This record gives sequence, structure tokens and C-alpha cells, in this order.
Amino acid sequence: NAGVMQNPRHLVRRRGQEARLRCSPMKGHSHVYWYRQLPEEGLKFMVYLQKENIIDESGMPKERFSAEFPKEGPSILRIQQVVRGDSAAYFCASSPTLLSGGITDTQYFGPGTRLTVL
Amino acid sequence: DQQVKQNSPSLSVQEGRISILNCDYTNSMFDYFLWYKKYPAEGPTFLISISSIKDKNEDGRFTVFLNKSAKHLSLHIVPSQPGDSAVYFCAARTNNAGNMLTFGGGTRLMVKP
Repeated sequence: NAGVMQNPRHLVRRRGQEARLRCSPMKGHSHVYWYRQLPEEGLKFMVYLQKENIIDESGMPKERFSAEFPKEGPSILRIQQVVRGDSAAYFCASSPTLLSGGITDTQYFGPGTRLTVL
Repeated sequence: DQQVKQNSPSLSVQEGRISILNCDYTNSMFDYFLWYKKYPAEGPTFLISISSIKDKNEDGRFTVFLNKSAKHLSLHIVPSQPGDSAVYFCAARTNNAGNMLTFGGGTRLMVKP
């Protein structure tokens, strides 16, 4: 069973360009989370999605950032008009839905995408 | 306002001895706690977790202790091995805030052979 996949692993953009980060959850997982880690800091929650729905985006900056998890295909975190302060490691995590309909408490992380803005 | 704090940025331990990593939290609504291990250039790997209704959970060399009254949890690794050298993050979940995790800043553990 493959783990959470993220691509690209490294992404370099110039200021003002767009960055698209992709995340494929573990097989059977329908919950996806995005976190950002700035240098020397812990991970900060950004957004929580289920298929075709944003459940919690309380950690997302109000401008330039958006996320989706379409019915088919990976989850996408999109950053428009990137600035130097967006340089960070972006991690995706996934968790399964229990047969009872609940959500497991453990989130499994991908290897991350390291975004560098020049 | 940091709701989850790991006050020791680094810890050095001799191989074979016990490693104790600490974590404090301020939000009494946290109901589930997790420890993750992270190597450079990789994503966090889940280690062990504990529900707020318990005070101890053990898995092999790893034991997590939870003291709710002190809002403190700790991860014990015994015996420590050089391969345990990594950054360890504690994380907490709130029972009324979806499924988001709040992370501490991490502790870098170095296990010397």
C-alpha cells in the first residue's frame, strides 16, 4: 500500500508566478490535510478537505491560496503570485474514514514539497 | 499564541539510555495527542498516540505519558538507538475543531553511539 504521494518534491518559482502542489492520499483515504512548515518551526495547519468539499480552511491565508480535492485526481494546493515569504515545506496528510462513518485520529504524511521563491 | 510547546529544542542521549521528550499544552479542549518523528527532507512519520481518557500508551520501545492536570505529555524511548536521531514533534487535536492537528516546534534528538 503506497503512502501519501506528493509532487513535485522541490519547486522553484520566481516572485509573481504560480505554484501548484499535488497530493495523492493513501489508498482508501478520503480526508486530506495541508500543512506548512517554515524553517525552524513546527507544522501549521492550512486546510482540511474531503472529496469535492473544503471542510476547514481556517489556516489558509485569505488571499492567493486555494485548495481543492476533486472527485477524480489528486488534491491541489495552489499559490498565486508567490512571494518570498511563501518559501517553505508544504506537507500533505491523509486519514481514512472508519466503517462507522467517523474519522480516525491519526494522519499520515507525505514527503512534502519544498517551495523556494526567488 | 503557541498552544503546544516543546521547550527543549535539542536533546543529546547516549545509546542504550532513555530519551525523554517533553511537551506542554494550554488548550484544555485537546482530546488526542500524537508524536511524530521527522528526518531531514522527509515527511513526519507517525510514532504513537494517546487519547485524553488514558494516561499511558506503550508500543515497543516507545511510551507516551499524559498528565492532564499538568497539561503535559512526554515520550520515552528506551533503549535509545542511533537510528532514533531525528526531530520529534508532538501534536494535539481539539475535539470541536474538525480534525486539524496543532504541532509543537519540535525537539531534535541526537543519540550518540
